[in-house]
Amino acid sequence: QLQLQESGSGLVKPSQTLSLTCDVSGGSISSGGYSWSWIRQPPGKGLEWIGYIYHSGDTYYNPSLKSRVTMSVDMSKNQFSLKLSSVSAADTAVYYCARDSRHGYNSYWYFGLWGRGTLVSVSS
Amino acid sequence: DIVMTQSPDSLAVSLGERATINCKSSQSVLYNSNTKNYLAWYQHKPGLPPKLLIYWASTRESGVPDRFSGSGSGTDFTLTISSLQAEDVAVYYCQQYYSVPYTFGQGTKLEIK
Repeated sequence: QLQLQESGSGLVKPSQTLSLTCDVSGGSISSGGYSWSWIRQPPGKGLEWIGYIYHSGDTYYNPSLKSRVTMSVDMSKNQFSLKLSSVSAADTAVYYCARDSRHGYNSYWYFGLWGRGTLVSVSS
Repeated sequence: DIVMTQSPDSLAVSLGERATINCKSSQSVLYNSNTKNYLAWYQHKPGLPPKLLIYWASTRESGVPDRFSGSGSGTDFTLTISSLQAEDVAVYYCQQYYSVPYTFGQGTKLEIK
């Protein structure tokens, strides 16, 4: 059964770059044609979709974060990654990785599979 | 961006009673070519990731108890829990996947009265 697990820096200084990785286990990141998303939740606030990446490397970023976001995929390690530059306290959040859903050849971005999330705090 | 607005922000319901959460989108999430509403519901408990309950506005995810149901079309949607159980205490979110960026409602906190 496919599982996702986030890892990375739990504490980042303001203006630096947040780096997270999502390990995919129990299946290949390249099978099934899925896209892989990052979603975050600041403390006490709602959920914000950050963007997605396909195993091909094709990406789509939320325009609100696009200038600071870079996603990548490492097929050899069966993982995908998020980098968020120039962070501030507003980027403090629990970050989740998640997978989209597919019906036939089509992708639909509701999320049935999530990692457990990792808290990233931005503080000096 | 499509703005998703949930009501109420919080709700207290007695065990065994019905709970109703509403979600309104700033534009229709009904895709005319397939007559599907691109709307999902999630349950979120502390320390856990959100759990998908409903997609296509009314299709229950596998394994979700049938006391959970979704309804609505276009811009107005409802999540109903027919008989509240203690384990249903959580924050519930709606999400549109009609257009990027995919957006969530602000959440509705459901508690036991």
